[in-house]
Amino acid sequence: GQQLNQSPQSMFIQEGEDVSMNCTSSSIFNTWLWYKQDPGEGPVLLIALYKAGELTSNGRLTAQFGITRKDSFLNISASIPSDVGIYFCAGQSVGANSKLTFGKGITLSVRP
Amino acid sequence: KAGVTQTPRYLIKTRGQQVTLSCSPISGHRSVSWYQQTPGQGLQFLFEYFSETQRNKGNFPGRFSGRQFSNSRSEMNVSTLELGDSALYLCASSPAGWGSYGYTFGSGTRLTVV
Repeated sequence: GQQLNQSPQSMFIQEGEDVSMNCTSSSIFNTWLWYKQDPGEGPVLLIALYKAGELTSNGRLTAQFGITRKDSFLNISASIPSDVGIYFCAGQSVGANSKLTFGKGITLSVRP
Repeated sequence: KAGVTQTPRYLIKTRGQQVTLSCSPISGHRSVSWYQQTPGQGLQFLFEYFSETQRNKGNFPGRFSGRQFSNSRSEMNVSTLELGDSALYLCASSPAGWGSYGYTFGSGTRLTVV
């Protein structure tokens, strides 16, 4: 089935640093989504991308939908302690098979 | 606006038992999807319901089933529980399903099978 690759599994950064996460797929998606999950909670949507090449920002977060439609990246600038959590990418195809396919997530730690 | 509500938050069951989890979507949302989250496998899609009909199904055994009621509330059932069914079960609601608008997740039900 479809799989999304996120690596590394964990990232450790210093407060104030920028961090970039990548997500790649062997399949084409029509929509790319980035979610963040805090312990004990469900994932929360950060950014949604609908068009190849699209670059979208949400505060300190910026994400891009790759031109090939097989990848996406998320950038967090000037990290703060509350950025700690698990970041998931998800891809979605249009139509009847509209389920979200998730990457395995990257656990981000921010050192104060 | 109330979010997606999942009950119960925590459950402990014994191997062989069955369990029913509940999900109340955001008012007006007609699509409810269920996911299983484990440390090893990540988030795995179980099924999606839209207007009381199962529209999509993941690769899980028949022990996993679900249904959706006319008010869009959904339940999922797992019969003959196995230790490997221990996981966080998440549901997500959206207005229509496809297109990513409003894919809002609940906080999940943590199921432990002993």
